[in-house]
Amino acid sequence: NAGVTQTPKFRVLKTGQSMTLLCAQDMNHEYMYWYRQDPGMGLRLIHYSVGEGTTAKGEVPDGYNVSRLKKQNFLLGLESAAPSQTSVYFCASTRDINTEAFFGQGTRLTVV
Amino acid sequence: AQSVTQPDIHITVSEGASLELRCNYSYGATPYLFWYVQSPGQGLQLLLKYFSGDTLVQGIKGFEAEFKRSQSSFNLRKPSVHWSDAAEYFCAVGAMEYGNKLVFGAGTILRVKS
Repeated sequence: NAGVTQTPKFRVLKTGQSMTLLCAQDMNHEYMYWYRQDPGMGLRLIHYSVGEGTTAKGEVPDGYNVSRLKKQNFLLGLESAAPSQTSVYFCASTRDINTEAFFGQGTRLTVV
Repeated sequence: AQSVTQPDIHITVSEGASLELRCNYSYGATPYLFWYVQSPGQGLQLLLKYFSGDTLVQGIKGFEAEFKRSQSSFNLRKPSVHWSDAAEYFCAVGAMEYGNKLVFGAGTILRVKS
């Protein structure tokens, strides 16, 4: 049972490049979330999804897009990367809003 | 909008001493409240949660937390800290009324001195 898997684990991008981060969960969870973690700022919610085919904006959505075409996958896209998007990105999934969130191991992204 | 405040960025305690980490939330009704712990380079692990019933909840690793509606607080406590408790601790709030967002505080880094 893999839980929540994020790919890639590390990535270096040049300013203006694009990329997609993949989050996959095998627990049949309805809810999935993308966060970014920066020192002193905790985890800030980028986008989230409450079911297949749905997405919603979080606290810091600008510069990111998401898609949830399949229930088990939640993709985070950066269309034109900026140095301010250098961060560690975490994906999480939950069965419901009042249940435990399971996290991936994170993706460390550096934009130069 | 819901928000979570953890007023202490860093806390240092001696091994064996008691610990209290503060968490305040901004929300009108009763939210779903969580504490998570993150060890260096790792993902987050749930310590405990509250959404109804007894306001004192027990979690893993000897942690407990108390929900105080009048103070909008959900403070985490441990009677005797072990060196292995050194980590970053996050308080989180979930709310159906706010679109089922799960929002985290900025975190408190716990250092344990021997």
